[in-house]
Amino acid sequence: EIVLTQSPGTLSLSPGERATLSCRASQSVNNNYLAWYQQRPGQAPRLLIYGASSRGTGIPDRFSGTGSGTDFALTISRLEPEDFAVYYCQQYGSSPQTFGQGTKVEVK
Amino acid sequence: QVQLQESGPGLVKPSEALSLTCTVSGGSMSTYYWSWIRQSPGKGLEWIGYIYFSGYTNYNPSLRGRVTMSVDTSKNQFSLKLTSVTAADTAVYYCTRANPGPDYWGQGTLVTVSS
Repeated sequence: EIVLTQSPGTLSLSPGERATLSCRASQSVNNNYLAWYQQRPGQAPRLLIYGASSRGTGIPDRFSGTGSGTDFALTISRLEPEDFAVYYCQQYGSSPQTFGQGTKVEVK
Repeated sequence: QVQLQESGPGLVKPSEALSLTCTVSGGSMSTYYWSWIRQSPGKGLEWIGYIYFSGYTNYNPSLRGRVTMSVDTSKNQFSLKLTSVTAADTAVYYCTRANPGPDYWGQGTLVTVSS
């Protein structure tokens, strides 16, 4: 199974700052089938990015995904108050599908 | 807008079976995969498996043959059954559309395993 390691565990930033989150896979992700999700407290995860770099429906363009193979990143260009949440990466190119352990973006 | 809603008991006794149903509205079940994912404090997000609208299934081997999924496209529903549950199966269970990765999610339902 592919293990996804996210870093950092916690990112402390201020509104308006840029956030860069990392997701590293233990082996290459087939077809770059890598997704990013945002989860706010008490809510279900929300799809942000699929296929490593395509934004989900209605996702603002301040969210962008890059990477291929084993190294992927999610960038939030300017943090809005509603962006402070936990972010997960997921690979769905190989079975079993797996998730990273999450990165919490908190207010500094 | 596709919407999914989980339903089922919130409390299950150890060694018994957990059964959940997901009702899909706002779209057809055809040509999509439908999956179950759970989230517990100890293990984070865990993919349980998926079922294609035709009935083809793929399960996470970590659940050691305890999982069965079924689909009823006439009712726009798909279901999860997890047998021989223990406290480790306590989690919030989500149903999702898989396209092929999960795009639409239900709100989740907490299932607690306890006597």
